[in-house]
Amino acid sequence: EPEVTQTPSHQVTQMGQEVILRCVPISNHLYFYWYRQILGQKVEFLVSFYNNEISEKSEIFDDQFSVERPDGSNFTLKIRSTKLEDSAMYFCASSEAGTVLHQPQHFGDGTRLSIL
Amino acid sequence: LAKTTQPISMDSYEGQEVNITCSHNNIATNDYITWYQQFPSQGPRFIIQGYKTKVTNEVASLFIPADRKSSTLSLPRVSLSDTAVYYCLVGRYSGGGADGLTFGKGTHLIIQP
Repeated sequence: EPEVTQTPSHQVTQMGQEVILRCVPISNHLYFYWYRQILGQKVEFLVSFYNNEISEKSEIFDDQFSVERPDGSNFTLKIRSTKLEDSAMYFCASSEAGTVLHQPQHFGDGTRLSIL
Repeated sequence: LAKTTQPISMDSYEGQEVNITCSHNNIATNDYITWYQQFPSQGPRFIIQGYKTKVTNEVASLFIPADRKSSTLSLPRVSLSDTAVYYCLVGRYSGGGADGLTFGKGTHLIIQP
């Protein structure tokens, strides 16, 4: 079964540094998403991406965040100047082009980001 | 988005059928009901989705009464590996729109031997 893959599995970064989290969505999917989950808390939506532009974003997704699809396979989340509170699991997800019925989102196993 | 209410935790034993009920009193006409499962240190995994009546797949069944104000996820003959957090999500799905999912706290299901 096709999977969403994320690298690295664990990223440790000094506060104030830039970090890029990488994702390879399922190959025939056209919609891409980032979520985060702070330890012990809910999964929170950050941003969705379609046709090379942001489709929707949450209040969490402020100017320090950006997303990019640099080529035909990767989808990245950049955090420009990391803060301690950015420590969390970051999940990438993808879904097929829509039909009448909702297409479920398929999640990767996440990148654990630790800010020191 | 329709608010959902589900039990914080449930316990059961291997081989039993487990039913997790989710309340969503203000569900809208266009809303679908979707359940995800999450194991520790893994991303949520889609289980099942429905609009009304009953949906069954190889993993679970989803029962939705006529008024759609609640739904029940049924897991047949659970095993220890079914210990996970189960999320009930209700929301509009605009046929391909890139809508972000809104997760609640979910139900932490613990299966004992």
